[in-house]
Amino acid sequence: DGGITQSPKYLFRKEGQNVTLSCEQNLNHDAMYWYRQDPGQGLRLIYYSQIVNDFQKGDIAEGYSVSREKKESFPLTVTSAQKNPTAFYLCASSFYAGTNSNQPQHFGDGTRLSIL
Amino acid sequence: GENVEQHPSTLSVQEGDSAVIKCTYSDSASNYFPWYKQELGKRPQLIIDIRSNVGEKKDQRIAVTLNKTAKHFSLHITETQPEDSAVYFCAASNPGSARQLTFGSGTQLTVLP
Repeated sequence: DGGITQSPKYLFRKEGQNVTLSCEQNLNHDAMYWYRQDPGQGLRLIYYSQIVNDFQKGDIAEGYSVSREKKESFPLTVTSAQKNPTAFYLCASSFYAGTNSNQPQHFGDGTRLSIL
Repeated sequence: GENVEQHPSTLSVQEGDSAVIKCTYSDSASNYFPWYKQELGKRPQLIIDIRSNVGEKKDQRIAVTLNKTAKHFSLHITETQPEDSAVYFCAASNPGSARQLTFGSGTQLTVLP
């Protein structure tokens, strides 16, 4: 899925610092998603967005924020309120054909965030 | 909301043997079931998916079966090879849910040479 680019690949956060993870896609997908993956664990949904200028909280949104100003971009900010941010963060995107259709999600290469 | 259970959490097989991973889901309205393969430190990649209007789908050595009545679906890998070693995730999608996918907890498959 070369069409989804996450940056940086590795990121270090200091105490009290906000950091922003980038996710860009050129697949013309409508919907975008952020997942958190802890070692040996599954994928937990942080935020998702079906269209520009709209997004919803997932299962673990506390301590995170997002924006969706452009169709191609869905940055995730890990705020200082997130006390345990060390994890592998995955961005995904898909076509969104409405609530009566299901489309496969395609993932970026991920960003590994660690605490300094 | 949807809940997806995946078993086993780890699975070791000898090269050439078959591997089966099973998932159950709770929402009878779910109608799309993809499977992802994730190699260590890499992105999950879609390997096969099935929709509720079919009971089985095959792609070379990989097959997925779906039992809507029992609300479970399974991934079958035949003639396993060392490169099949990875974590496999199942997922379920309720078309009425904007979040689209709920994932299982993953299965670490190890193919022993």
